[in-house]
Amino acid sequence: GENVEQHPSTLSVQEGDSAVIKCTYSDSASNYFPWYKQELGKRPQLIIDIRSNVGEKKDQRIAVTLNKTAKHFSLHITETQPEDSAVYFCAASIDSFGNEKLTFGTGTRLTIIP
Amino acid sequence: EAQVTQNPRYLITVTGKKLTVTCSQNMNHEYMSWYRQDPGLGLRQIYYSMNVEVTDKGDVPEGYKVSRKEKRNFPLILESPSPNQTSLYFCASSLRALNYGYTFGSGTRLTVV
Repeated sequence: GENVEQHPSTLSVQEGDSAVIKCTYSDSASNYFPWYKQELGKRPQLIIDIRSNVGEKKDQRIAVTLNKTAKHFSLHITETQPEDSAVYFCAASIDSFGNEKLTFGTGTRLTIIP
Repeated sequence: EAQVTQNPRYLITVTGKKLTVTCSQNMNHEYMSWYRQDPGLGLRQIYYSMNVEVTDKGDVPEGYKVSRKEKRNFPLILESPSPNQTSLYFCASSLRALNYGYTFGSGTRLTVV
């Protein structure tokens, strides 16, 4: 089955700096890669996703890049703010009959230092 | 308001006492799933359901049961809970199988003593 590795497990950055979280996946058939943000004591929420036919996607200060050859994808947060402090999860899935599972990474705890 | 509702939010129980965690969504989503979240292990899938009467095992199904008799409801059943099932549980739903964002419930923190 799919295996998703996420690094780093913790990350601290100064407010205003950029943060990058990286994930690798094992199954080359994976074609959907969402990112979720979980604030302390709350539920995970989808913040951005990318499909395998796209190499990069941006949404304001957040961007995701995908390298299918190397089987890795990354989350980039620019101009970080205190409200970006949270745990971030990457995930990967294969959209095909019989493989309807979304596999998550182990999470990155991002702390923004004021 | 579109939402996934889980109950209860907190539960402390004793080993071996059967329990059910309910999950209901009001978005007419076809796909529903249960995850458990443990420190350092992320979110691991327990069971999922593609639609009514269609369920399948995730990565950690041992000790759990589910049913999908109605589209909106997807209860998680622990027939004989054990301490290693102490965890934070999330129900999630999606419009269709995958490639659509999940909407998560607010979570159930279960402690088995």
